[in-house]
Amino acid sequence: SQQGEEDPQALSIQEGENATMNCSYKTSINNLQWYRQNSGRGLVHLILIRSNEREKHSGRLRVTLDTSKKSSSLLITASRAADTASYFCGADSSYKLIFGSGTRLLVRP
Amino acid sequence: GAVVSQHPSRVICKSGTSVKIECRSLDFQATTMFWYRQFPKQSLMLMATSNEGSKATYEQGVEKDKFLINHASLTLSTLTVTSAHPEDSSFYICSAEGRQISGETQYFGPGTRLLVL
Repeated sequence: SQQGEEDPQALSIQEGENATMNCSYKTSINNLQWYRQNSGRGLVHLILIRSNEREKHSGRLRVTLDTSKKSSSLLITASRAADTASYFCGADSSYKLIFGSGTRLLVRP
Repeated sequence: GAVVSQHPSRVICKSGTSVKIECRSLDFQATTMFWYRQFPKQSLMLMATSNEGSKATYEQGVEKDKFLINHASLTLSTLTVTSAHPEDSSFYICSAEGRQISGETQYFGPGTRLLVL
């Protein structure tokens, strides 16, 4: 399969709570990128973490990368209703992105 | 910066006709553009990678004669779905990489929804 796996597939939380999404991939990578997608729209780039990095922060986002386990996690702190979207990880391997199956996040106001 | 546009945003066509979708990088030169397909509530499947001035590289299982890709300039790539059939109905998204901003980050267009009747 071209795709990696993400879990959970769907996540429903209350506004203000933290949301954690996990991603696994199959090949060696140059970097891993996280994107969000609102329904029926294109993808918005959130953060890129290189293969030699273990953790990266950007605002309310925190990404970790474990290349030995071929996995990454995205943490959104203090979630807002506007964070409701689908989140995808893209593993950059051989100069192309292979996307995970995505996590649908619902943040209830 | 790093804006990618797609046109049209939606298209409805009859079975057997061809449809062209344009992908433009508006404020940077895209050395590489990618075309993806996405079915409802599913992930993006890479169809092909195109570098300016050269032939596109198609992923396994994607028919190159069915999905014609042209990347004639550093700001424009086109995807033509030839002799479209209902099973080609999908959401098509392009992305672009630009050397000046970040060679590794892909910037995505808003997508084109194709419905073949």
